[in-house]
Amino acid sequence: QQQVKQSPQSLIVQKGGISIINCAYENTAFDYFPWYQQFPGKGPALLIAIRPDVSEKKEGRFTISFNKSAKQFSLHIMDSQPGDSATYFCAASGSSGETSGSRLTFGEGTQLTVNP
Amino acid sequence: DAGITQSPRHKVTETGTPVTLRCHQTENHRYMYWYRQDPGHGLRLIHYSYGVKDTDKGEVSDGYSVSRSKTEDFLLTLESATSSQTSVYFCAISLGQNYGYTFGSGTRLTVV
Repeated sequence: QQQVKQSPQSLIVQKGGISIINCAYENTAFDYFPWYQQFPGKGPALLIAIRPDVSEKKEGRFTISFNKSAKQFSLHIMDSQPGDSATYFCAASGSSGETSGSRLTFGEGTQLTVNP
Repeated sequence: DAGITQSPRHKVTETGTPVTLRCHQTENHRYMYWYRQDPGHGLRLIHYSYGVKDTDKGEVSDGYSVSRSKTEDFLLTLESATSSQTSVYFCAISLGQNYGYTFGSGTRLTVV
């Protein structure tokens, strides 16, 4: 059962453009929504995260938009650069007890290519 | 990644053999996780640990077992490797609820 759906699977953007990746979740108990960036041969790295008490969070060129009523959140990369070419994963977790920690459920991933 | 190492980085094994992957952390984080990454499936949780000797199953735990005898080490064992277990395996550590993960660099396992 896939609880976090991510789209698109792949995305090609020109340098300087805006990259947008969308995720939708089902579990209303989710209360933490991070995005991870993964380069080939490396492990995913935390990029930015949001909690549902805010609708938007911005860090540099990266912005998360969050719509609690629609159960959707998205990553916007402004002024996309070739160095942003990577795989991006959205994820979600909920407060499910001390023993489970922050069990993250991941989306399927988006392969972003930024052409020079 | 700093503070978390996985070994081996690459392994080729034969069907039916047992395989153990190791995750070692120097961050003293309570929570440790094993995920597998496959195209089209993202990252799927195999097992996780919330303390020494405390482990639980994830969504794709069949055919896998884990052990954590020390805070710093979390072992993943494929009891009898099958071709469907060919994958990239990632270990991650976390401070707890609503904290991000730090991932290792992964182990690429091929079962032939």
